Amino acid sequence: GAVVSQHPSWVICKSGTSVKIECRSLDFQATTMFWYRQFPKQSLMLMATSNEGSKATYEQGVEKDKFLINHASLTLSTLTVTSAHPEDSSFYICSALWYFGAGTRLSVL
Amino acid sequence: GIQVEQSPPDLILQEGANSTLRCNFSDSVNNLQWFHQNPWGQLINLFYIPSGTKQNGRLSATTVATERYSLLYISSSQTTDSGVYFCAPAYSGAGSYQLTFGKGTKLSVIP
Repeated sequence: GAVVSQHPSWVICKSGTSVKIECRSLDFQATTMFWYRQFPKQSLMLMATSNEGSKATYEQGVEKDKFLINHASLTLSTLTVTSAHPEDSSFYICSALWYFGAGTRLSVL
Repeated sequence: GIQVEQSPPDLILQEGANSTLRCNFSDSVNNLQWFHQNPWGQLINLFYIPSGTKQNGRLSATTVATERYSLLYISSSQTTDSGVYFCAPAYSGAGSYQLTFGKGTKLSVIP
């Protein structure tokens, strides 16, 4: 079974709203989790490294205030897309160790 | 950071044919994974192969770490093999495991 659970799998929201995506490690504790973004027909691009109990490390060009990451426990990291706009529409994937979540497809209208 | 190049970018195969996908990477790594991304976006780990050769059914992979490349072999391809194959070298240490993805090879297997 899946060892990394990601929810929701699909979300449609109105422009200007915020969306929260959860990533849970099911059978192990993860002090570090990773968030990726994938545009259609492109590769996965690392957005940020989520660190339990401390601030996330963002890759160059990723807006910290747009993509809020919280890693409050050893099994849960959340990514909140704040004030979403159509250009934020994408496929977001989390990982812990070498296990990946099923991804979240975000569509902003 | 690590640069990853995958070839070919696109590949069309007749069902039953064999193929080899290549992954070159620029720096020393202590691990490498091959993934298949299905049409729904789910990444499926195929191999965890820092060096040597592994086989799993019709798939096998070889990594030559000293020469910084890895190969994925698909034999007797089936239509269900269609999708995108990603190579992702990794450097792990201090409780972290960070992958860098190549751009992928899009495989289309036609009946």
